[in-house]
Amino acid sequence: DAGVIQSPRHEVTEMGQEVTLRCKPISGHNSLFWYRQTMMRGLELLIYFNNNVPIDDSGMPEDRFSAKMPNASFSTLKIQPSEPRDSAVYFCASSLTTTETQYFGPGTRLLVL
Amino acid sequence: KQEVTQIPAALSVPEGENLVLNCSFTDSAIYNLQWFRQDPGKGLTSLLLIQSSQREQTSGRLNASLDKSSGRSTLYIAASQPGDSATYLCAVNSAGNMLTFGGGTRLMVKP
Repeated sequence: DAGVIQSPRHEVTEMGQEVTLRCKPISGHNSLFWYRQTMMRGLELLIYFNNNVPIDDSGMPEDRFSAKMPNASFSTLKIQPSEPRDSAVYFCASSLTTTETQYFGPGTRLLVL
Repeated sequence: KQEVTQIPAALSVPEGENLVLNCSFTDSAIYNLQWFRQDPGKGLTSLLLIQSSQREQTSGRLNASLDKSSGRSTLYIAASQPGDSATYLCAVNSAGNMLTFGGGTRLMVKP
């Protein structure tokens, strides 16, 4: 298996623009997680899905952030409008169930100017 | 709210030393605890997962222990090598099946 796939790997955009991050989980995994990593706050869980259904989005910082999982093999994290403080590395992870080992993608490094 | 702390924040050792990384958490009601490794500019690689009912897990030169009642876990690395240089993250899976991460220990093993 190719592991968790994320795209793009790097994104540079201007403040106010819409940003869409994509994730393909490992085939057969039922749980998918979106994380954000910054120097100041470390790794934080934003939202997670189980069987394509959002279970907990309490980590989503504000209404500018939204996530979807239309099917078992694809998820998006959207930021609209983007702000400089959104600059971070965004990771997607998947696991067989919510309590088993999580496998992380390589991350998307986002820079909002 | 679960809080996870890792000590030390950074560690530099000569090659060949055995070393211990520490992780503490505030809420003992956990499902499991995972140790991850992160190389600069890369994603996280899972090293070991310890279920709440287990006391330790071993993989090669790595051994992780868990004392749930005291809210502590340790990652023991035997005979450290320069290739072990990375940031090591502890993460606790607790209420709501959400992982809470510690701040990490940045390890450098000098040849």
